[in-house]
Amino acid sequence: TQLLEQSPQFLSIQEGENLTVYCNSSSVFSSLQWYRQEPGEGPVLLVTVVTGGEVKKLKRLTFQFGDARKDSSLHITAAQPGDTGLYLCAGARGSSNTGKLIFGQGTTLQVKP
Amino acid sequence: NAGVTQTPKFRVLKTGQSMTLLCAQDMNHEYMYWYRQDPGMGLRLIHYSVGEGTTAKGEVPDGYNVSRLKKQNFLLGLESAAPSQTSVYFCASSYVVGLAGTIAKNIQYFGAGTRLSVL
Repeated sequence: TQLLEQSPQFLSIQEGENLTVYCNSSSVFSSLQWYRQEPGEGPVLLVTVVTGGEVKKLKRLTFQFGDARKDSSLHITAAQPGDTGLYLCAGARGSSNTGKLIFGQGTTLQVKP
Repeated sequence: NAGVTQTPKFRVLKTGQSMTLLCAQDMNHEYMYWYRQDPGMGLRLIHYSVGEGTTAKGEVPDGYNVSRLKKQNFLLGLESAAPSQTSVYFCASSYVVGLAGTIAKNIQYFGAGTRLSVL
């Protein structure tokens, strides 16, 4: 069973469109992160959210942590071809002090020019 | 600015062969992790280490062994490779988790991956 469910798994859009990726769970997380991965490389951290209801913006990317700290969303405004990649959400459980993260399955985004 | 370095980048094995994947980090991080990435399954934790000389099992440890003899290195071994171990393997490291509100927690830095095919 996947503790973190991402949707959609695949998304192909035209340049300039907006999109939202969701990361949902029935479990509470102490923090949640979003990573972006390009082909042939490892994931790179985009943002960490730690407070329920928190919203963080990174240029055209807006990240939100759910009030109950069970879900998160990533919204991209006016997507560009450079946004193409695999987006992964990852959650940390509060009771663990091992640094372990639980990853979602990932969302593959293709932005066509 | 090496960060996390994985060797080799590619490898093809025959069923039953053994190999070791090396991960080296130069950030003085305490925690290190080995993941495998398969299509549609995200990253799954194989083994991890919270410090030199310590290792622990993750979500999918069967068929793998690890060692952390030096703080900067984390080795992943396959004693008898099987086709089911065909995957992309990622190593990551992170600094010690701090108190909430003082240090961002659980930030992991990844290597570029090792693509392994077992025939």
